[in-house]
Amino acid sequence: DVKVTQSSRYLVKRTGEKVFLECVQDMDHENMFWYRQDPGLGLRLIYFSYDVKMKEKGDIPEGYSVSREKKERFSLILESASTNQTSMYLCASSFDGPSGRNEQFFGPGTRLTVL
Amino acid sequence: QKEVEQDPGPLSVPEGAIVSLNCTYSNSAFQYFMWYRQYSRKGPELLMYTYSSGNKEDGRFTAQVDKSSKYISLFIRDSQPSDSATYLCAPRTGGFKTIFGAGTRLFVKA
Repeated sequence: DVKVTQSSRYLVKRTGEKVFLECVQDMDHENMFWYRQDPGLGLRLIYFSYDVKMKEKGDIPEGYSVSREKKERFSLILESASTNQTSMYLCASSFDGPSGRNEQFFGPGTRLTVL
Repeated sequence: QKEVEQDPGPLSVPEGAIVSLNCTYSNSAFQYFMWYRQYSRKGPELLMYTYSSGNKEDGRFTAQVDKSSKYISLFIRDSQPSDSATYLCAPRTGGFKTIFGAGTRLFVKA
């Protein structure tokens, strides 16, 4: 079974704090993703990575950065947290199979509240 | 215009009903069409996968894609309370990026 774990289920931070969200997958997947999920807006892609040390901006990268130093670990960093970054953050991983299916496997999410 | 439009619901049905969930999309380059199911306080999980147009059936679930009208459907037969979840349509081109619909919340009442 693929397992994607996220470092925290719930997190409360103050405006201006630096926040680290960590994600680990145990299936040797090449691709990893960070999304945020907000009511009515669905899942929006923040960043993704297709290899170690490689990263690509998604649809809403502003205010975020990422790090992928090891294949199994993908970190999301909020340099200076703001209240509009209060959200559910979901990490996912996938591999490039021959069928093109590229199913994404998600972690349980981190509910971040910025006060 | 959003690339994928999905009615957020909520949709409430009695147990045993046939459920129809739908999405429309604008990008004709989408080739792969997925439905993810997300239970409360969990991450989404892949439920159905279809390549290009046509139908695919898996137990009580049928996924349907009509590329000519850019319309994606998921049908659930004999719905059960355990089907209560949010369903996200998720089309994709051949690349890395999957576009997720906003999700439809479904409640199946016993």
